[in-house]
Amino acid sequence: AQKVTQAQTEISVVEKEDVTLDCVYETRDTTYYLFWYKQPPSGELVFLIRRNSFDEQNEISGRYSWNFQKSTSSFNFTITASQVVDSAVYFCALSERKDRGSTLGRLYFGRGTQLTVWP
Amino acid sequence: ETGVTQSPTHLIKTRGQQVTLRCSSQSGHNTVSWYQQALGQGPQFIFQYYREEENGRGNFPPRFSGLQFPNYSSELNVNALELDDSALYLCASSVGGTTPTDTQYFGPGTRLTVL
Repeated sequence: AQKVTQAQTEISVVEKEDVTLDCVYETRDTTYYLFWYKQPPSGELVFLIRRNSFDEQNEISGRYSWNFQKSTSSFNFTITASQVVDSAVYFCALSERKDRGSTLGRLYFGRGTQLTVWP
Repeated sequence: ETGVTQSPTHLIKTRGQQVTLRCSSQSGHNTVSWYQQALGQGPQFIFQYYREEENGRGNFPPRFSGLQFPNYSSELNVNALELDDSALYLCASSVGGTTPTDTQYFGPGTRLTVL
Protein backbone atom coordinates (compact mmCIF):
# COMPACT_ATOMS: atom_id res chain seq x y z
CA ALA A 1 0.00 0.00 0.00
CA GLN A 2 1.19 3.49 -0.78
CA LYS A 3 2.19 5.28 2.40
CA VAL A 4 2.10 8.71 0.78
CA THR A 5 -0.43 9.69 -1.86
CA GLN A 6 -0.23 12.80 -3.96
CA ALA A 7 -3.35 12.59 -6.07
CA GLN A 8 -2.54 15.61 -8.22
CA THR A 9 -0.11 14.58 -10.94
CA GLU A 10 0.09 17.97 -12.63
CA ILE A 11 -1.17 21.45 -11.79
CA SER A 12 -0.94 24.53 -13.99
CA VAL A 13 -1.59 28.03 -12.72
CA VAL A 14 -0.95 31.55 -13.88
CA GLU A 15 1.47 33.72 -11.98
CA LYS A 16 0.08 35.32 -8.80
CA GLU A 17 -2.54 32.63 -8.34
CA ASP A 18 -2.60 30.66 -5.11
CA VAL A 19 -2.13 26.91 -5.39
CA THR A 20 -2.50 24.03 -2.93
CA LEU A 21 -0.70 20.72 -3.29
CA ASP A 22 -2.38 17.82 -1.53
CA CYS A 23 -0.69 15.05 0.44
CA VAL A 24 -2.35 12.16 2.24
CA TYR A 25 -0.30 9.72 4.27
CA GLU A 26 -0.83 6.37 5.94
CA THR A 27 0.98 5.06 9.00
CA ARG A 28 0.30 3.02 12.11
CA ASP A 29 3.08 4.68 14.07
CA THR A 30 2.21 7.30 16.65
CA THR A 31 5.53 9.03 16.08
CA TYR A 32 6.29 10.03 12.53
CA TYR A 33 7.59 12.92 10.49
CA LEU A 34 6.34 14.56 7.35
CA PHE A 35 8.38 16.44 4.80
CA TRP A 36 8.01 18.46 1.64
CA TYR A 37 10.76 18.61 -0.95
CA LYS A 38 11.00 20.60 -4.19
CA GLN A 39 12.70 19.13 -7.26
CA PRO A 40 13.53 21.68 -9.97
CA PRO A 41 14.53 20.48 -13.45
CA SER A 42 18.16 20.20 -12.29
CA GLY A 43 17.10 17.15 -10.28
CA GLU A 44 18.31 18.00 -6.80
CA LEU A 45 15.73 17.57 -4.05
CA VAL A 46 15.46 20.76 -2.00
CA PHE A 47 14.20 20.43 1.57
CA LEU A 48 11.30 22.75 2.39
CA ILE A 49 9.82 21.68 5.71
CA ARG A 50 9.71 18.94 8.36
CA ARG A 51 6.79 18.38 10.71
CA ASN A 52 6.53 15.87 13.55
CA SER A 53 3.35 14.03 14.44
CA PHE A 54 2.94 15.84 17.76
CA ASP A 55 2.92 19.30 16.27
CA GLU A 56 -0.26 20.12 14.38
CA GLN A 57 0.34 23.85 14.26
CA ASN A 58 0.20 25.24 10.78
CA GLU A 59 3.34 26.91 9.56
CA ILE A 60 3.95 29.85 7.28
CA SER A 61 7.23 30.76 5.66
CA GLY A 62 6.98 33.70 3.30
CA ARG A 63 4.67 32.67 0.46
CA TYR A 64 4.64 29.05 1.63
CA SER A 65 2.26 27.58 4.19
CA TRP A 66 1.53 24.08 5.39
CA ASN A 67 -1.67 22.64 6.85
CA PHE A 68 -1.17 19.46 8.92
CA GLN A 69 -4.36 17.64 9.96
CA LYS A 70 -3.98 14.31 11.74
CA SER A 71 -7.73 13.71 11.68
CA THR A 72 -7.63 13.40 7.90
CA SER A 73 -3.98 12.24 7.63
CA SER A 74 -3.18 15.16 5.39
CA PHE A 75 -0.28 17.54 5.09
CA ASN A 76 -1.12 20.06 2.40
CA PHE A 77 1.16 22.72 0.99
CA THR A 78 -0.03 26.11 -0.27
CA ILE A 79 1.93 28.60 -2.33
CA THR A 80 0.47 32.09 -2.23
CA ALA A 81 0.94 34.45 -5.18
CA SER A 82 2.80 31.83 -7.22
CA GLN A 83 5.79 32.78 -9.34
CA VAL A 84 7.38 31.23 -12.40
CA VAL A 85 10.36 30.15 -10.24
CA ASP A 86 7.98 27.95 -8.24
CA SER A 87 7.66 25.64 -11.25
CA ALA A 88 9.01 22.25 -10.16
CA VAL A 89 7.98 18.80 -8.98
CA TYR A 90 6.97 18.79 -5.32
CA PHE A 91 7.24 15.68 -3.20
CA CYS A 92 5.62 14.88 0.09
CA ALA A 93 7.45 12.28 2.22
CA LEU A 94 6.93 10.32 5.43
CA SER A 95 9.44 8.96 7.93
CA GLU A 96 8.37 6.48 10.63
CA ARG A 97 9.81 5.28 13.88
CA LYS A 98 10.07 1.52 13.91
CA ASP A 99 9.04 -0.49 16.93
CA ARG A 100 11.32 -2.01 19.59
CA GLY A 101 13.64 0.93 19.52
CA SER A 102 14.96 0.18 16.10
CA THR A 103 14.53 3.28 14.08
CA LEU A 104 15.34 4.14 10.58
CA GLY A 105 15.25 7.47 8.86
CA ARG A 106 14.14 6.16 5.49
CA LEU A 107 11.77 8.40 3.60
CA TYR A 108 8.65 7.17 1.83
CA PHE A 109 7.88 9.52 -1.03
CA GLY A 110 4.71 10.19 -2.93
CA ARG A 111 4.79 10.25 -6.72
CA GLY A 112 5.08 14.01 -6.80
CA THR A 113 3.05 16.86 -8.24
CA GLN A 114 4.38 18.74 -11.25
CA LEU A 115 3.58 22.42 -10.74
CA THR A 116 3.82 24.73 -13.74
CA VAL A 117 3.41 28.45 -13.22
CA TRP A 118 2.82 30.41 -16.39
CA PRO A 119 3.78 34.09 -16.71
CA GLU B 1 23.31 24.22 -1.84
CA THR B 2 23.35 21.38 0.66
CA GLY B 3 27.05 20.52 0.53
CA VAL B 4 26.24 16.99 -0.60
CA THR B 5 28.12 16.11 -3.77
CA GLN B 6 27.75 13.17 -6.13
CA SER B 7 29.84 11.86 -8.98
CA PRO B 8 29.62 11.31 -11.81
CA THR B 9 26.77 13.52 -12.99
CA HIS B 10 25.85 11.28 -15.87
CA LEU B 11 26.80 7.75 -16.78
CA ILE B 12 26.00 5.44 -19.68
CA LYS B 13 26.52 1.70 -19.30
CA THR B 14 25.44 -1.42 -21.13
CA ARG B 15 23.42 -4.29 -19.75
CA GLY B 16 25.47 -6.68 -17.63
CA GLN B 17 28.13 -4.14 -16.68
CA GLN B 18 28.91 -2.93 -13.19
CA VAL B 19 28.79 0.67 -11.94
CA THR B 20 30.00 2.60 -8.89
CA LEU B 21 28.42 5.87 -7.83
CA ARG B 22 29.95 8.15 -5.23
CA CYS B 23 28.62 10.54 -2.64
CA SER B 24 30.26 12.96 -0.24
CA SER B 25 28.09 13.89 2.72
CA GLN B 26 27.62 17.32 4.17
CA SER B 27 30.19 18.30 6.77
CA GLY B 28 29.20 16.99 10.21
CA HIS B 29 26.80 14.38 8.81
CA ASN B 30 27.45 10.71 9.63
CA THR B 31 24.57 9.04 7.79
CA VAL B 32 24.10 8.50 4.09
CA SER B 33 20.97 7.20 2.37
CA TRP B 34 20.63 6.19 -1.26
CA TYR B 35 17.49 6.46 -3.36
CA GLN B 36 16.56 5.43 -6.88
CA GLN B 37 14.20 7.68 -8.82
CA ALA B 38 12.76 6.32 -12.04
CA LEU B 39 11.36 8.78 -14.55
CA GLY B 40 8.08 10.26 -13.38
CA GLN B 41 8.21 8.52 -10.01
CA GLY B 42 9.10 9.44 -6.46
CA PRO B 43 12.46 8.35 -5.03
CA GLN B 44 12.61 4.80 -3.69
CA PHE B 45 14.81 3.95 -0.71
CA ILE B 46 17.72 1.60 -1.51
CA PHE B 47 19.67 1.54 1.76
CA GLN B 48 21.18 3.67 4.47
CA TYR B 49 24.63 3.70 6.09
CA TYR B 50 25.32 4.94 9.58
CA ARG B 51 28.90 5.01 10.86
CA GLU B 52 30.06 2.60 8.15
CA GLU B 53 27.36 -0.02 8.82
CA GLU B 54 24.26 -0.72 6.76
CA ASN B 55 21.35 0.60 8.80
CA GLY B 56 18.43 -0.63 6.75
CA ARG B 57 17.59 -1.67 3.24
CA GLY B 58 14.67 -1.24 0.90
CA ASN B 59 13.26 -3.73 -1.56
CA PHE B 60 16.31 -3.97 -3.84
CA PRO B 61 18.18 -7.13 -4.87
CA PRO B 62 21.65 -7.99 -3.50
CA ARG B 63 23.34 -6.78 -6.69
CA PHE B 64 22.80 -3.32 -5.20
CA SER B 65 25.48 -2.92 -2.54
CA GLY B 66 27.13 -0.07 -0.75
CA LEU B 67 29.95 1.14 1.42
CA GLN B 68 30.54 3.99 3.80
CA PHE B 69 34.03 5.20 4.56
CA PRO B 70 35.51 6.63 7.78
CA ASN B 71 35.03 10.16 6.42
CA TYR B 72 31.32 9.24 5.94
CA SER B 73 31.45 9.42 2.17
CA SER B 74 29.70 6.53 0.46
CA GLU B 75 29.58 4.38 -2.65
CA LEU B 76 26.68 2.63 -4.34
CA ASN B 77 27.63 -0.36 -6.46
CA VAL B 78 25.32 -2.06 -8.91
CA ASN B 79 26.33 -5.32 -10.55
CA ALA B 80 24.86 -7.01 -13.61
CA LEU B 81 23.09 -3.88 -14.76
CA GLU B 82 19.60 -4.25 -16.20
CA LEU B 83 17.68 -1.86 -18.41
CA ASP B 84 15.32 -1.06 -15.50
CA ASP B 85 18.25 0.26 -13.49
CA SER B 86 18.17 3.38 -15.66
CA ALA B 87 17.24 6.13 -13.21
CA LEU B 88 18.40 9.12 -11.21
CA TYR B 89 20.33 7.95 -8.16
CA LEU B 90 20.12 10.32 -5.24
CA CYS B 91 22.29 10.41 -2.18
CA ALA B 92 21.17 12.12 1.02
CA SER B 93 23.10 12.89 4.16
CA SER B 94 21.87 13.51 7.68
CA VAL B 95 22.96 13.55 11.30
CA GLY B 96 22.46 10.54 13.52
CA GLY B 97 20.58 8.01 11.48
CA THR B 98 19.15 6.28 14.52
CA THR B 99 15.96 8.31 14.68
CA PRO B 100 13.55 9.34 11.95
CA THR B 101 13.72 12.95 13.00
CA ASP B 102 16.81 13.73 11.02
CA THR B 103 16.23 15.78 7.93
CA GLN B 104 17.93 14.31 4.88
CA TYR B 105 19.71 16.71 2.56
CA PHE B 106 20.08 15.56 -1.01
CA GLY B 107 22.83 15.83 -3.57
CA PRO B 108 22.29 16.66 -7.25
CA GLY B 109 22.06 13.00 -8.27
CA THR B 110 23.71 10.74 -10.83
CA ARG B 111 21.75 10.02 -13.99
CA LEU B 112 22.43 6.41 -15.02
CA THR B 113 21.40 5.16 -18.43
CA VAL B 114 21.64 1.44 -19.18
CA LEU B 115 21.58 0.49 -22.87
